[in-house]
Amino acid sequence: GAVVSQHPSRVICKSGTSVKIECRSLDFQATTMFWYRQFPKQSLMLMATSNEGSKATYEQGVEKDKFLINHASLTLSTLTVTSAHPEDSSFYICSARGLAEYEQYFGPGTRLTVT
Amino acid sequence: DAKTTQPTSMDCAEGRAANLPCNHSTISGNEYVYWYRQIHSQGPQYIIHGLKNNETNEMASLIITEDRKSSTLILPHATLRDTAVYYCIALYSGGYQKVTFGIGTKLQVIP
Repeated sequence: GAVVSQHPSRVICKSGTSVKIECRSLDFQATTMFWYRQFPKQSLMLMATSNEGSKATYEQGVEKDKFLINHASLTLSTLTVTSAHPEDSSFYICSARGLAEYEQYFGPGTRLTVT
Repeated sequence: DAKTTQPTSMDCAEGRAANLPCNHSTISGNEYVYWYRQIHSQGPQYIIHGLKNNETNEMASLIITEDRKSSTLILPHATLRDTAVYYCIALYSGGYQKVTFGIGTKLQVIP
């Protein structure tokens, strides 16, 4: 099956700094990628939809200036958490869809801890 | 997308079949039923999907009632590695769609 990778798998950063998370589709081209956030013991919450070559679409309540998304190629989307605060500590997961696929393929997730 | 409801949690003995129900009484004619699962601290994993016919793959079977208002995911021989949260989601076929997750069913496989 299709593989989606994320880097890094874990990151610890200090409050006020920015962190970039990469999401790559390894063996297929993804026109659309999605970013989710998951707090402990909660379900995944969709943050934004990223389309290659265009601006991301953010879900209600998600600050677009804080969570910068770039989908510059058909195999890479990045999420940058700017001026991170402890409340941004969470499990961030991306997923990718190909042109002819109904299924979404999810990455393994990135654990962000802001101290 | 149609709303789905699932039990919050279930237990299953190792080696036995795990039957996970899902209600989707408002599902429309062109919405598929998808199942994903999430093992602790991992990304979700696609399991199976179907429209109206029963489906089977190497992971599971999906039984959809004739009126399509409910379905059951069957793991024929549950193992400890099947312990996870299972999500039932109704999605339109084709085109742009977002996968949004509900609470899901926490399946605990017991030795």
